Amino acid sequence: DSGVTQTPKHLITATGQRVTLRCSPRSGDLSVYWYQQSLDQGLQFLIQYYNGEERAKGNILERFSAQQFPDLHSELNLSSLELGDSALYFCASSPRQGEYNEKLFFGSGTQLSVL
Amino acid sequence: QQQVKQSPQSLIVQKGGISIINCAYENTAFDYFPWYQQFPGKGPALLIAIRPDVSEKKEGRFTISFNKSAKQFSLHIMDSQPGDSATYFCAATQTQGGSEKLVFGKGTKLTVNP
Repeated sequence: DSGVTQTPKHLITATGQRVTLRCSPRSGDLSVYWYQQSLDQGLQFLIQYYNGEERAKGNILERFSAQQFPDLHSELNLSSLELGDSALYFCASSPRQGEYNEKLFFGSGTQLSVL
Repeated sequence: QQQVKQSPQSLIVQKGGISIINCAYENTAFDYFPWYQQFPGKGPALLIAIRPDVSEKKEGRFTISFNKSAKQFSLHIMDSQPGDSATYFCAATQTQGGSEKLVFGKGTKLTVNP
C-alpha cells in the first residue's frame, strides 16, 4: 500500500458529462501529480501541485482542471467528456524535500469509462 | 514527441532466465532515470533508479545499466521469477531547473513462465 488514496476506483459516465476524481496524498507529502494512462499513450503527465499551488503542467486538455486544497488533497475535474478520455487516471505524491524529491508514490488509480 | 522510447512492448521468459528491457532517451538534460514496476490493478511503484554519473546500479536481482554516450539505459532482471510478472516502465527527468515531471516509456509487459 503506497499510502495514496484515490476515489472512486471505477467511474462510468456518458459523453458530455463532468466528473471529479479525488486524491489523498501520503501523510505529510506536499506534492501531488496527476497522470493519465492509456494503452496507446502510456503514462502521460497531466499536472503537478505543490502545497496548494500549480507547479508544472503537462499534456492536460483545457477541458481538464485540477486543484489542491489546504488539507493537501487534490481533485482532477474532467468536463465535456469524450470517448477518448476513457483511461486510467493516477495520482502520485512525493514529500518534496530539498530541491527535488525523486520518488513518487502512486495510488491505485481511477478507471474512467466514457460511453 | 516521445522523449523516452522503451522496448520491447512485451517479453516472455522462463523462470530462472534473464529479462532485459531497453530504453533510449533524447533529452541530454535528463539526469535521473528510474524504473517503475506495475502489477495489475495497482499503481506503478519505484523499483530502482540511477543517475548518469555511474554506469551500473544493482539492487538484488535488478540491475540498471546506463550508457550516457548512447543515451540508453536498460533493466536486467536476473533469475526471473513468476512473481516478477508485471509491466515495467522506464522514466527520465531533469531534476535541476526542469519541470520536475517524470517522462515515462510506454511500458513492457513481462511474463515469467514457471
